[in-house]
Amino acid sequence: AQRVTQPEKLLSVFKGAPVELKCNYSYSGSPELFWYVQYSRQRLQLLLRHISRESIKGFTADLNKGETSFHLKKPFAQEEDSAMYYCALSGSGGKLIFGQGTELSVKP
Amino acid sequence: NAGVTQTPKFRVLKTGQSMTLLCAQDMNHEYMYWYRQDPGMGLRLIHYSVGEGTTAKGEVPDGYNVSRLKKQNFLLGLESAAPSQTSVYFCAGGPTYYEQYFGPGTRLTVT
Repeated sequence: AQRVTQPEKLLSVFKGAPVELKCNYSYSGSPELFWYVQYSRQRLQLLLRHISRESIKGFTADLNKGETSFHLKKPFAQEEDSAMYYCALSGSGGKLIFGQGTELSVKP
Repeated sequence: NAGVTQTPKFRVLKTGQSMTLLCAQDMNHEYMYWYRQDPGMGLRLIHYSVGEGTTAKGEVPDGYNVSRLKKQNFLLGLESAAPSQTSVYFCAGGPTYYEQYFGPGTRLTVT
């Protein structure tokens, strides 16, 4: 079964601390994974995709097929990073499967 | 260029009533999606469309129907609303299945 698991509902860190939002998936095949973010009072939007291997707003995510993980990392969290983060997996037939979401709170 | 819009923003229904949620996009996207968002459940796909005139079932399609008669509109219908359908509904559209642009959401309460 295709599934995405984000084990943490809420992650709270202090400004300047490293942050890692966990994402694990199950998928039989070559997965494509993504991170979406929803800032307060804004719409859900694509943050990054694993295939592009880019860093967006200081965030990176590496696909680890051995551990079936796609954790989102940032070395120094900022208050403006506070948001709801969703990990998503490409499903068959042109759709995404989203995880439950992790709320990141960065305290001053 | 309004992107993806949803109508209405809020709605309260009584059990058994019906309603239609409208999603409209002005970006000529092929792909359109309807999700529901519930606490602790994340985003769950209800139905989706990969082009005008096509629809497909998602993860939680029961109790909902959709139509995509025009490329720019994707309608979600509830024929007989139930309290379990109380949720926030999001529409999304995109040029690809992964690059989805979301609407602002519709908060639906069924009493």
